[in-house]
Amino acid sequence: AQRVTQPEKLLSVFKGAPVELKCNYSYSGSPELFWYVQYSRQRLQLLLRHISRESIKGFTADLNKGETSFHLKKPFAQEEDSAMYYCALRNNNNDMRFGAGTRLTVKP
Amino acid sequence: GAGVSQSPSNKVTEKGKDVELRCDPISGHTALYWYRQSLGQGLEFLIYFQGNSAPDKSGLPSDRFSAERTGGSVSTLTIQRTQQEDSAVYLCASSRQIRNTGELFFGEGSRLTVL
Repeated sequence: AQRVTQPEKLLSVFKGAPVELKCNYSYSGSPELFWYVQYSRQRLQLLLRHISRESIKGFTADLNKGETSFHLKKPFAQEEDSAMYYCALRNNNNDMRFGAGTRLTVKP
Repeated sequence: GAGVSQSPSNKVTEKGKDVELRCDPISGHTALYWYRQSLGQGLEFLIYFQGNSAPDKSGLPSDRFSAERTGGSVSTLTIQRTQQEDSAVYLCASSRQIRNTGELFFGEGSRLTVL
């Protein structure tokens, strides 16, 4: 069985400060990890996927298999980054499971 | 349509009544997911349909919950004898099977309030 853990339900930082949203997972197979984001009054949408090794809106996430983590980072948070962030894991059967989510608030 | 469509967008019902929530996935998407989003519980997996395979029902919280997908397209989530703890936003998502990048496309959700 796969499991995704986001230990922080709420995270608050000031504009311009670095931010890190934590995600840990457990899965016996080869995992595919994702970050999804939900801005106020918008649909949940994909932010980034680990296989792409991309930076989206200044966010990056590195898969650390040794620590079974996929933390989301941004060096300088902006107010528009305030949103609900979900870490997700897809298994070999295309089944996608999400963590409980972290609500990020970036204060001016 | 251009995206995943869910109806109704809002549903208020009395405890003990049955409700049906509908999801129209993106045309051509063979995978369909139902999740429940509530405060303190995050995004809880309910059920997953993949093509003609047997659905993964392991996330359904009780036998009051059921879902079906007709013709490989539209899906209906049914909650029988609703309870107050069923109050939540029910999200549907769909994705491609072929050349699947792992991106799920979500609907706007159906907000259920059980009085």
